[in-house]
Amino acid sequence: QKEVEQNSGPLSVPEGAIASLNCTYSDRVSQSFFWYRQYSGKSPELIMSIYSNGDKEDGRFTAQLNKASQYVSLLIRDSQPSDSATYLCAVHQKVTFGTGTKLQVIP
Amino acid sequence: DTGVSQDPRHKITKRGQNVTFRCDPISEHNRLYWYRQTLGQGPEFLTYFQNEAQLEKSRLLSDRFSAERPKGSFSTLEIQRTEQGDSAMYLCASSFDSIGETQYFGPGTRLLVL
Repeated sequence: QKEVEQNSGPLSVPEGAIASLNCTYSDRVSQSFFWYRQYSGKSPELIMSIYSNGDKEDGRFTAQLNKASQYVSLLIRDSQPSDSATYLCAVHQKVTFGTGTKLQVIP
Repeated sequence: DTGVSQDPRHKITKRGQNVTFRCDPISEHNRLYWYRQTLGQGPEFLTYFQNEAQLEKSRLLSDRFSAERPKGSFSTLEIQRTEQGDSAMYLCASSFDSIGETQYFGPGTRLLVL
């Protein structure tokens, strides 16, 4: 089992819809969780961090963490074509990244 | 200081040559990380420093790879006797050691070994 797992996609959503990206992790002692966005050929840029169970909202983005079930998700509301990128889930405990989910927002 | 910088941005080399990359972190950050990323994969952790001390190295980091951060500021990553399998994007990130520390990435150095 990989330490951090994501569906590689692509996940296609129409413009204006909600995109839901999911990530599971194996290390129960992990405390810090991050979502990064990476455009093709560019380096990752931080979108959200979350440390406590529940939801954390920032603009159109909501991160959700459930430590009991060992998953973290990212919701993108009102998806825009500019959101089309690969979204990386990262678990800090061992600085481990998932392989990323490619999101395509269709105009 | 506008962020993490890396130099060069692109490097093409022949198999067997040595290459060295440089990373300049955000000035107040005491932690510096090196990652390698290949197409379709997430970044893979290579090593990290806290100040000038190299605290952890991945099993991925073979003897041909060496990293330094001599004064606790910039860092270099050297690959000796490069192989075609070393072709990848090499990413540097920096952070401040705190609860829930957040890493900020540089633009990366794309290496192609012919």
